[in-house]
Amino acid sequence: GQNIDQPTEMTATEGAIVQINCTYQTSGFNGLFWYQQHAGEAPTFLSYNVLDGLEEKGRFSSFLSRSKGYSYLLLKELQMKDSASYLCAAMDSNYQLIWGAGTKLIIKP
Amino acid sequence: GAGVSQSPRYKVAKRGQDVALRCDPISGHVSLFWYQQALGQGPEFLTYFQNEAQLDKSGLPSDRFFAERPEGSVSTLKIQRTQQEDSAVYLCASSWDRETQGADTQYFGPGTRLTVL
Repeated sequence: GQNIDQPTEMTATEGAIVQINCTYQTSGFNGLFWYQQHAGEAPTFLSYNVLDGLEEKGRFSSFLSRSKGYSYLLLKELQMKDSASYLCAAMDSNYQLIWGAGTKLIIKP
Repeated sequence: GAGVSQSPRYKVAKRGQDVALRCDPISGHVSLFWYQQALGQGPEFLTYFQNEAQLDKSGLPSDRFFAERPEGSVSTLKIQRTQQEDSAVYLCASSWDRETQGADTQYFGPGTRLTVL
């Protein structure tokens, strides 16, 4: 079957670094997406990885290992506004996104 | 407009009532998706359109759910005889082309929060 696993909740301190892990099992693979979703709002696109390695975009970086079925989202210099849910989604061979349940990130001052 | 828009933002329906949810995708986007999201969960796929063609409706939970996109732009998700378990946020997303890497990033609308009493 197809499955995405990510932690339910994480807590971090303002100014620190946090890594949110995601493992996936899909029928075929056409890339891994990370989205940010604030409570009551729509998911917003953060990153897309299809090749192995690290993609850096400002304070956010995303890593992919296709052989391990593993990705992480790295957030640096955390700000209070980063408190949100972070959704991992893998695209399968039918180009359908398989979504994780999301990781709720709580930032403390 | 600049982004995906959905209306209404909030809908309260009595059990058994029919509802219609509207999505306006980003202009020029070929692909359009509907998702259902329960509180604290990720989006669950409902259906997918490529232009006006509904290519995948495997996620629709029952025959009470119906979606259309007659002119390949605006889409409507209709739920007939609503039940309490239909209460959720219904998200619409669009992309340039689902099957082209690099063009398949989905952009979401704000969602419609449906509450069935």
